[in-house]
Amino acid sequence: AQSVTQLGSHVSVSEGALVLLRCNYSSSVPPYLFWYVQYPNQGLQLLLKYTSAATLVKGINGFEAEFKKSETSFHLTKPSAHMSDAAEYFCAVSVAGANSKLTFGKGITLSVRP
Amino acid sequence: DAGVTQSPTHLIKTRGQQVTLRCSPKSGHDTVSWYQQALGQGPQFIFQYYEEEERQRGNFPDRFSGHQFPNYSSELNVNALLLGDSALYLCASSLAGRGSYEQYFGPGTRLTVT
Repeated sequence: AQSVTQLGSHVSVSEGALVLLRCNYSSSVPPYLFWYVQYPNQGLQLLLKYTSAATLVKGINGFEAEFKKSETSFHLTKPSAHMSDAAEYFCAVSVAGANSKLTFGKGITLSVRP
Repeated sequence: DAGVTQSPTHLIKTRGQQVTLRCSPKSGHDTVSWYQQALGQGPQFIFQYYEEEERQRGNFPDRFSGHQFPNYSSELNVNALLLGDSALYLCASSLAGRGSYEQYFGPGTRLTVT
């Protein structure tokens, strides 16, 4: 069975600072990995996905993530935080394709200080 | 191009009652998945429908059932509601057979059981 661990429930950064949100996964087969963002009272929006192509994945809004098999990690980064980045971020894994069952982590709340 | 739509937006029910939630997939999509997101948690997979049949199921009791119609829209039914069923219910649509294509999420239905 697959699983995702997101360490820490809350990250706070200053505007313009580096954003780093951590995600570690467990999977017995090569995984598909995703980062989703959720703004208050809204559904989930896909930021980026890893589907066994390039290990460095670029997404929307300046976010990127690197798949590291040896570390079973898929950390999300953004060089410079913006106030509009404040939201809940979820890492998810699938083992049968991007259109199959997603297993999510518990999420990380990102706060951005002016 | 309409995205995934869900109705109703909010719903309040009493313990023991039954509820039906509805989802219309993104145009061109043929697969619908349902997720339950409890407060402060990541979404949990309930089940997925394709060609009007349940294709995958998560760890949810039989009180949770679904249906997919010929136009690909879907319903989630929950019987004998419990207080613990209070959550945001998310619908996601995707295209079968295209493993690299992600799921698109709707805004969700907020269910409160009193």
